[in-house]
Amino acid sequence: SQQGEEDPQALSIQEGENATMNCSYKTSINNLQWYRQNSGRGLVHLILIRSNEREKHSGRLRVTLDTSKKSSSLLITASRAADTASYFCATDGTGGGNKLTFGTGTQLKVEL
Amino acid sequence: KAGVTQTPRYLIKTRGQQVTLSCSPISGHRSVSWYQQTPGQGLQFLFEYFSETQRNKGNFPGRFSGRQFSNSRSEMNVSTLELGDSALYLCASSLSSGGEKGYTFGSGTRLTVV
Repeated sequence: SQQGEEDPQALSIQEGENATMNCSYKTSINNLQWYRQNSGRGLVHLILIRSNEREKHSGRLRVTLDTSKKSSSLLITASRAADTASYFCATDGTGGGNKLTFGTGTQLKVEL
Repeated sequence: KAGVTQTPRYLIKTRGQQVTLSCSPISGHRSVSWYQQTPGQGLQFLFEYFSETQRNKGNFPGRFSGRQFSNSRSEMNVSTLELGDSALYLCASSLSSGGEKGYTFGSGTRLTVV
């Protein structure tokens, strides 16, 4: 079963605006990752934030993590039409091995 | 370097048949994990292999199995296919601990069971 819930389920914005997606999870984690998926294709890794980090930046992406609230947010600044995709958060738990638990995803549409 | 390669890209099978999907990880990556993606259940973890050993297993019936070869290539098999097995199957490769670059996913195999 999925661990994470993402909010909103769908988001439509104009090019140039910022997009914010939120993710909540349930158990202890080693890290939290965000992935992008275009039209049912493979997942592309965007950014990883470790459990002892609070904020991380990569280009136009900013991720925050609040382990006390078991939540994370992904901010995409100055969005482009090419950012249109589904975005998933995924947690890497503390149970050992490599196993990601994914959220439900946010469908982002960036309109010209 | 080459990415994660999954074959075939598309597959149509009949209920009751079995299917084998293949995944070649990035060179040097020893961990291969498999995920099932459906509209209803989303992305769910199937299993993970590291150095030819299954290290983690998700909550799927025994009809789903896998293996990993000495060159780290992995296969997953689904026997006695059911309509509900129709899904996008994704594999991901990583170094032992995932690392700062996370996991690299293949483009997936879309399985349709009719």
